Amino acid sequence: QQQVKQSPQSLIVQKGGISIINCAYENTAFDYFPWYQQFPGKGPALLIAIRPDVSEKKEGRFTISFNKSAKQFSLHIMDSQPGDSATYFCAASHRRGAGGTSYGKLTFGQGTILTVHP
Amino acid sequence: DSGVTQTPKHLITATGQRVTLRCSPRSGDLSVYWYQQSLDQGLQFLIQYYNGEERAKGNILERFSAQQFPDLHSELNLSSLELGDSALYFCASSVAWSSGGAGTDTQYFGPGTRLTVL
Repeated sequence: QQQVKQSPQSLIVQKGGISIINCAYENTAFDYFPWYQQFPGKGPALLIAIRPDVSEKKEGRFTISFNKSAKQFSLHIMDSQPGDSATYFCAASHRRGAGGTSYGKLTFGQGTILTVHP
Repeated sequence: DSGVTQTPKHLITATGQRVTLRCSPRSGDLSVYWYQQSLDQGLQFLIQYYNGEERAKGNILERFSAQQFPDLHSELNLSSLELGDSALYFCASSVAWSSGGAGTDTQYFGPGTRLTVL
C-alpha cells in the first residue's frame, strides 16, 4: 500500500518537445507529492511539488497534473531542453499525528531516465 | 548546493567491516532522513530523526543504526557489511513542521556517499 509506481522507465524526447512522466499511488493517506530531478553523481533536487487540494501546479516549464480520484499524478516538461536530461523521481509522503512534527518520509517511484536530443 | 553536507563522498571497504557515514543538515533544519539508492531497489527510506529522537523507520537492516547528535548532525552506522550493501546513501533534511501550519515538507538532499563493499 506504500508503493508508488512510475512510468516510463526511460524516455527520449527531441528538443522543444513535451516530456510526460506518470505516477500512480495506492495509499490514500498520502498528502504531498513532489518530483525530484537527479543528475549523475548528484543528490536528488526538488523540482516541483503538489498537494491534493489542487489539480494542477505550474512552475516555469514544469507542470504537475494531479487526479485524486484516479490516484495518479504526472509531470509535464514543456519545451524540453538537452539540459533537462536527467533521472526524474516522483514521490509521496504524508504527515502523521495532529500537528507537531512532520514525519514526511518519502516513498519514491522507480525513476525515469529522460534524454532530450538536441 | 542544497546546504546538506555528507562525508565521505566515496567509501571502499571489505565485507564484514563497519563504516560510519556523516551528515550535516541545513542550518535550522531539525529533521534528518537517510535513504539508500541502489539499482535494483531504487531510492528507499531508511530512518528519520527529529531533534535527536528517532521518528520513523523504514526497511533498515538490523546491521544498520543511526543517531542524531545535539548539534543536529547525524551518523549512519553500517556493520557486518555485505556485497549487497554497496549503494549510494543519501541524507536529507527538512525544517520542523509546526502545529500552527507553518513549515514545509520539502526535503533537501545531500550529495550522497557512494559505498562500495568488495
